[in-house]
Amino acid sequence: DTAVSQTPKYLVTQMGNDKSIKCEQNLGHDTMYWYKQDSKKFLKIMFSYNNKELIINETVPNRFSPKSPDKAHLNLHINSLELGDSAVYFCASSPRGRIPLYNSPLHFGNGTRLTVT
Amino acid sequence: KNEVEQSPQNLTAQEGEFITINCSYSVGISALHWLQQHPGGGIVSLFMLSSGKKKHGRLIATINIQEKHSSLHITASHPRDSAVYICAVIQGGEKLTFGTGTRLTIIP
Repeated sequence: DTAVSQTPKYLVTQMGNDKSIKCEQNLGHDTMYWYKQDSKKFLKIMFSYNNKELIINETVPNRFSPKSPDKAHLNLHINSLELGDSAVYFCASSPRGRIPLYNSPLHFGNGTRLTVT
Repeated sequence: KNEVEQSPQNLTAQEGEFITINCSYSVGISALHWLQQHPGGGIVSLFMLSSGKKKHGRLIATINIQEKHSSLHITASHPRDSAVYICAVIQGGEKLTFGTGTRLTIIP
């Protein structure tokens, strides 16, 4: 059983296109995240949602728009894709909300490798 | 300068060796994660700790909040331990700040 699943695994598209990455978790977690891993393997948080409410929005271009239809799903829509958007995007979830408990692990999806040409 | 620094950046060791990976941070935190990223790209959370020490199998994680330092130790290392190990600190709320990772290679 996949706990946090992302689709697609690979996404190749041209500059200027609009694309979406979907994420679903079946763990009953309250909080979901999107992280970006650049070519140097550096991870950075983009967004965090708690029970469908946006609680973290780092300095991400507004071409990126997260959508959480329910607490089990957090999708990432990207408009007008640029070359610099090429990266691996990870979805993750954790079982607690605003205040993380100290035994609250993160569960990651397998990542979506986005290549913009 | 990154708020979370890891050392070494790369580490190659023989099977069976005791491994230590270090993480230092410059910000106030509520807790710290150690993550493992497999060669295939998947990320697994190994530990989340805020004080003292945690042990799971051959893995041991320690943290010293006063010194703003954490270590991840692997005893009796094995080739399957080869991965990138990432330290991430939790600042206010849900924000994680990641280190740049340590690439570990265990040679049979």
